[in-house]
Amino acid sequence: DIQLTQSPSFLSASVGDRVTITCRARQGISNYLAWYQQKPGKAPNLLIYAASILQSGVPSRFSGGGSGTEFTLTISSLQPEDFATYYCQHLNSFPFGPGTKVDIK
Amino acid sequence: QVTLRESGPVVVKPTQTLTLTCTFSGFSLRTSEMCVSWVRQPPGKALEWLALIDWGDDKFYNTSLKTRLTISKDTSKNQVVLTMTNMAPVDTGTYYCARRTSRGYCTGGICYEVFDYWGQGILVTVSS
Repeated sequence: DIQLTQSPSFLSASVGDRVTITCRARQGISNYLAWYQQKPGKAPNLLIYAASILQSGVPSRFSGGGSGTEFTLTISSLQPEDFATYYCQHLNSFPFGPGTKVDIK
Repeated sequence: QVTLRESGPVVVKPTQTLTLTCTFSGFSLRTSEMCVSWVRQPPGKALEWLALIDWGDDKFYNTSLKTRLTISKDTSKNQVVLTMTNMAPVDTGTYYCARRTSRGYCTGGICYEVFDYWGQGILVTVSS
């Protein structure tokens, strides 16, 4: 299995801030990466797949980038409903990254 | 409309076997590229993938838990069952089932298998 790491583990930010989360793979995975958002008490929700393609219905303030071993999830202007935990996942295997919690400053 | 719902016991005793059922609608496991997976989450911790079964009845397991897990499907009932043996307090957490598919997620001739629909989850507590 491909091991994924995420940084930071925790992020404190304000509404309107630009936020970037990084996911790193131990070996190259091309663009086979997805991002999920999970709010407390809720199931995860698919945000982005193929590293940069927005899932239908996801606001355009979310964007993804990267290829190979380093990937990013960016929220261009943080909204109150974006405070959540974000996970990356390698799409050819199954494990998830350890998560990044985005909290209110 | 795709929906998934987990059911099963909310409390199990240590050493017991947990049996969870995922009942789904809006798709069929007779359809190619359709899979159902189980993912769990201990309280306050990260998601942990457990097992997956696909339309062809191929099964995949978390290597760390493989000896304890069995996944199966009943296509006629639109159900997927997960059993986990020898439960311990560390297995306490929310268990989710999710659909995995590449249908609708193809671009540039490449298809990507994503977890696109999830159940609401069931909190299972292991305690004597």
